Amino acid sequence: ETGVTQSPTHLIKTRGQQVTLRCSSQSGHNTVSWYQQALGQGPQFIFQYYREEENGRGNFPPRFSGLQFPNYSSELNVNALELDDSALYLCASSPGTSDGWEQYFGPGTRLTVT
Amino acid sequence: KNQVEQSPQSLIILEGKNCTLQCNYTVSPFSNLRWYKQDTGRGPVSLTIMTFSENTKSNGRYTATLDADTKQSSLHITASQLSDSASYICVVSARNYGQNFVFGPGTRLSVLP
Repeated sequence: ETGVTQSPTHLIKTRGQQVTLRCSSQSGHNTVSWYQQALGQGPQFIFQYYREEENGRGNFPPRFSGLQFPNYSSELNVNALELDDSALYLCASSPGTSDGWEQYFGPGTRLTVT
Repeated sequence: KNQVEQSPQSLIILEGKNCTLQCNYTVSPFSNLRWYKQDTGRGPVSLTIMTFSENTKSNGRYTATLDADTKQSSLHITASQLSDSASYICVVSARNYGQNFVFGPGTRLSVLP
């Protein structure tokens, strides 16, 4: 186990709804990254938070937004859900933003949009 | 465009056998390359990380190689075990400010008794 936790484990939503996913980073880690992993594919980078500020964003529309709290836990919010948003959402924490740091992944949240 | 390709897409081997997974990348400028193991429905777990100057790195029965000239890496698994059944993902970092990881699609390995 990496010490990174995510909730909920599974979630079923209807198209057009909004969803919030949560991630608790490993102790001592101030950087959290979020990824979307479609079935059978590698993770795609959504965005990263460092000390409560967004620190990079992948090619995702603005309806994907996030927050990081003073304790470095993080939320991923997705508005106006679409069927293609169905995926495994992974968060990963690291001690800093350098690419030399190891990323520790949580178990993921499986989101199904119907 | 920064890309990471992996082959084969899937692989089935018998327990105790060896196998090699391939990774080709076009990420530039290159910073480091990682191999992750991902069990079904779980988050990826790091196996190895290699920088430009490293050619080989081992982690138990896992040995990764890197040829930065040809932009290729391989992951060799020796004496496979049933618990090796998982997806193996190659991840390359571009030398930009901060973290800029490009993930491959993964190779799905099944180890049969």
